[in-house]
Amino acid sequence: GENVEQHPSTLSVQEGDSAVIKCTYSDSASNYFPWYKQELGKRPQLIIDIRSNVGEKKDQRIAVTLNKTAKHFSLHITETQPEDSAVYFCAASQNDYKLSFGAGTTVTVRA
Amino acid sequence: EPEVTQTPSHQVTQMGQEVILRCVPISNHLYFYWYRQILGQKVEFLVSFYNNEISEKSEIFDDQFSVERPDGSNFTLKIRSTKLEDSAMYFCASSESSGRVFGSGTRLTVV
Repeated sequence: GENVEQHPSTLSVQEGDSAVIKCTYSDSASNYFPWYKQELGKRPQLIIDIRSNVGEKKDQRIAVTLNKTAKHFSLHITETQPEDSAVYFCAASQNDYKLSFGAGTTVTVRA
Repeated sequence: EPEVTQTPSHQVTQMGQEVILRCVPISNHLYFYWYRQILGQKVEFLVSFYNNEISEKSEIFDDQFSVERPDGSNFTLKIRSTKLEDSAMYFCASSESSGRVFGSGTRLTVV
């Protein structure tokens, strides 16, 4: 089955700096890569996703890049704000039914 | 904005008892899912459901688990004989295609 590795497990950044989270996946057939943000005690919420026919996608301060050859995708958050503090999960899927999640990255934005 | 609703928000049960977790997916969504998240760990896929049948399930979803869509709006997860290790947050999700909307979760505590 699919195995998603996520790094780092924790990330502390100064407000205004950028944060980068990296994930790798094992199944070359995976073609859908969403990112979820989970605030403490709350549900995961989709923040951005990318499909394998696209190399990069951007939505305001958030961008995701995908390298299919290396089976690697990353989340970039620019101009971080305190409200960006949360746990971020990457995920991968090949058939839209089963999402395999990474272990999560706890992002702390220092004011 | 449409939401996935889950009840109860917290369920405490004795080991060996049966529990039913309830979910009302978004009305025009066709795909339904259950995930679980053990405290402090990643989100784990349990099962997906489409067209009134299970489309995929994980190795976690053994014979103790079952899902049902008893009517046009509810989607339930039943755990027949709960074990201590079933204690977790259980999230229901639904989607039109790939982007999942998660419910707020049911925290199951097995004592």
